[in-house]
Amino acid sequence: GAGVSQSPSNKVTEKGKDVELRCDPISGHTALYWYRQSLGQGLEFLIYFQGNSAPDKSGLPSDRFSAERTGGSVSTLTIQRTQQEDSAVYLCASSSGPNGGYTFGSGTRLTVV
Amino acid sequence: EDQVTQSPEALRLQEGESSSLNCSYTVSGLRGLFWYRQDPGKGPEFLFTLYSAGEEKEKERLKATLTKKESFLHITAPKPEDSATYLCAVQGTGAGSYQLTFGKGTKLSVIP
Repeated sequence: GAGVSQSPSNKVTEKGKDVELRCDPISGHTALYWYRQSLGQGLEFLIYFQGNSAPDKSGLPSDRFSAERTGGSVSTLTIQRTQQEDSAVYLCASSSGPNGGYTFGSGTRLTVV
Repeated sequence: EDQVTQSPEALRLQEGESSSLNCSYTVSGLRGLFWYRQDPGKGPEFLFTLYSAGEEKEKERLKATLTKKESFLHITAPKPEDSATYLCAVQGTGAGSYQLTFGKGTKLSVIP
């Protein structure tokens, strides 16, 4: 597609439920990133995929968070047993390589009630 | 650990009133410094990459400059449509150098 597509755009879930967030990167972009943006905070790195290499999961805040990227394209970020502190905007970005400016999607706003 | 500090947190300008936003950074080795613009409810939009001290980039009313410790985003004769949050980020040359470290941003409001 022309840009990075994320779905859903908004998600309200009950505490303790699992959620899946989807990212469809720009076609041909080998690098894919997930960031989290909380109110009043800067963007926080979560995970990075580059081609067929093992992902860098060093930014995931707990083992309740996981992500996968199928076929080098679409990525899914899963949060298990959601907590209120997980409420944030989850942003996906892609790029043609590990350097250079990213193209971000519009994000998924997650609210845990 | 890479760090980015942006100032001011918020800035109100009259239309046509030029000003600058500051981004101070510490990084073990700089691979690149990035400026993004973020509108409410949207993801950040890439503006510029600067790679070395002394480099300048321009786009319409925006000019970004870089020194060894900070970057400035100069806004000349701003218009209301320039209102947004401007984010600065650095990419270092250390471990995990593909990820960007972001500042918290400067929220710019341009009043007609």
